Amino acid sequence: DAGVTQSPTHLIKTRGQQVTLRCSPKSGHDTVSWYQQALGQGPQFIFQYYEEEERQRGNFPDRFSGHQFPNYSSELNVNALLLGDSALYLCASSWRGQTYEQYFGPGTRLTVT
Amino acid sequence: AQTVTQSQPEMSVQEAETVTLSCTYDTSESDYYLFWYKQPPSRQMILVIRQEAYKQQNATENRFSVNFQKAAKSFSLKISDSQLGDAAMYFCAYRRQYSGNTPLVFGKGTRLSVIA
Repeated sequence: DAGVTQSPTHLIKTRGQQVTLRCSPKSGHDTVSWYQQALGQGPQFIFQYYEEEERQRGNFPDRFSGHQFPNYSSELNVNALLLGDSALYLCASSWRGQTYEQYFGPGTRLTVT
Repeated sequence: AQTVTQSQPEMSVQEAETVTLSCTYDTSESDYYLFWYKQPPSRQMILVIRQEAYKQQNATENRFSVNFQKAAKSFSLKISDSQLGDAAMYFCAYRRQYSGNTPLVFGKGTRLSVIA
């Protein structure tokens, strides 16, 4: 049983560019949440997807958008990249019927130069 | 808004000894969950232990146990018989209990070093 997978592992982009990160949830999970973890900080919640809709959103600008596909996988898109967007982006999956467990992927390290 | 505070940026412990990591949180909710996550250099966030706020009994998972003080809004993690593999960043996290999946609110973390 594969856990949560994310791609790519590392990514280097230039300021102003756009990036797409991908996440496949653990088998049986239907909810995907995205977190941003800046260096030396704890993860911060970006948004959550369930039934292909954004259900909850943290304090992030509209440059951050996402999508969930019918197979429950998800994408995180960031437009007009800023240097401050450099971070580890974590995806967490869960099953909506279970209210406490979230399983994390290994993350995508994004560097903006 | 809920906040989680970890006041110890770094801790160290001798192998086989016991160490306690501190966490306090602020919330006006009465129903919530608290977690300790471990993040090794591989970056994978791993759940160590979970505590439901309505349970008075402190959670225990093998060498890991918590001291949950609801009135004081304190949630510390005790690691007994520390092993080299315990070296990692440890994050305390809070989650409001609600239908569906509410987001996790994390502290800034404590870096634990284990000395052989």
